Amino acid sequence: DADVTQTPRNRITKTGKRIMLECSQTKGHDRMYWYRQDPGLGLRLIYYSFDVKDINKGEISDGYSVSRQAQAKFSLSLESAIPNQTALYFCATRAGGPLYEQYFGPGTRLTVT
Amino acid sequence: AQRVTQPEKLLSVFKGAPVELKCNYSYSGSPELFWYVQYSRQRLQLLLRHISRESIKGFTADLNKGETSFHLKKPFAQEEDSAMYYCALTARQLTFGSGTQLTVLP
Repeated sequence: DADVTQTPRNRITKTGKRIMLECSQTKGHDRMYWYRQDPGLGLRLIYYSFDVKDINKGEISDGYSVSRQAQAKFSLSLESAIPNQTALYFCATRAGGPLYEQYFGPGTRLTVT
Repeated sequence: AQRVTQPEKLLSVFKGAPVELKCNYSYSGSPELFWYVQYSRQRLQLLLRHISRESIKGFTADLNKGETSFHLKKPFAQEEDSAMYYCALTARQLTFGSGTQLTVLP
């Protein structure tokens, strides 16, 4: 589903570097989410946003920050990357309301050495 | 707090055999529950939601409030069902379980 895109798709970076992961969507949804996926831990919510002026911390926000530049764009930053932030990162969007389906991006595989 | 538990990390069954992926939840309100699936090299996608009471690709899931469970079932597994399955509960945001990797053997 090309409606939710993520860049880059793969990234290798070094400890201490700043890195930004970007997410764009063309579905017109207000709600956007960032998750990380780790083997055996499933998906854990990092940050979410219900509109441009609404940013909320998720379960594991420490070490991350986000920016909602526009309704369609939601960026995740690692200010100073560390090896245990090596993971697969997913962006997702949803229309309003808990019954609506979340649409996921293809994921960004981040490796911090 | 809301929580979703999938006790099995890995599950293998033979083609044609029944399969059940377990999901238990804890939530103080009235839950909205989903199953998402991630096929190899593909993004997560919705499989089914409890409120629709639908059957997708032969899978069904019944919400049992007494046992706080939402197990996913299919009577005859197919090789193409091999994937990672996530149970999820939604209120203000979606909370996922840790996932079950299903392998259907030929």
